[in-house]
Amino acid sequence: AQSVTQLGSHVSVSEGALVLLRCNYSSSVPPYLFWYVQYPNQGLQLLLKYTTGATLVKGINGFEAEFKKSETSFHLTKPSAHMSDAAEYFCAVSASGTYKYIFGTGTRLKVLA
Amino acid sequence: DAGVTQSPTHLIKTRGQQVTLRCSPKSGHDTVSWYQQALGQGPQFIFQYYEEEERQRGNFPDRFSGHQFPNYSSELNVNALLLGDSALYLCASSSTGLAGVYSYEQYFGPGTRLTVT
Repeated sequence: AQSVTQLGSHVSVSEGALVLLRCNYSSSVPPYLFWYVQYPNQGLQLLLKYTTGATLVKGINGFEAEFKKSETSFHLTKPSAHMSDAAEYFCAVSASGTYKYIFGTGTRLKVLA
Repeated sequence: DAGVTQSPTHLIKTRGQQVTLRCSPKSGHDTVSWYQQALGQGPQFIFQYYEEEERQRGNFPDRFSGHQFPNYSSELNVNALLLGDSALYLCASSSTGLAGVYSYEQYFGPGTRLTVT
């Protein structure tokens, strides 16, 4: 069985500040991990993914995430927030042997001018 | 290159009615998954279709059914609508391929907003 926990349903940062969105997962088999972004009234856009290999994953729009097996975490970071980063962010887990994604409840990022 | 498309964009139905939502996958993709996203929640997996068959199903009642066509497009049908079925319904496409090797990267469409009154 798999599950995802996103700590902090709302996160506010100042423009230019570090963005850190937290995601912890539970999986009985090696996980595949994903971060998606959702803008208002839109679908989900893939930011980055981890399946195998390098544990530091770089995605679009300057985001990156690090898979830490010992901490069962896959936190999303961006060195400098832009106003355009304001959106809802979802962490998801899947694994070999299952085709579905299990999503977290999301973190709404607000960027302050 | 067209991405995942869904129709209609919005839909309003009455309790007890039936609804059909449609999805066309991204070019080159042969696998379609459906998710329900209630307001303020993360998407919940409904089912996935590959080779015109339901390959995996989430914890949704039989009122939710689907179909995949030879061109890989898909429909989601919901019967006997309840107020609680009001949500954004997302379609996601991915690739399995002839060798049966599934790509775990899913591309999502813009969704269909269903309101049940």
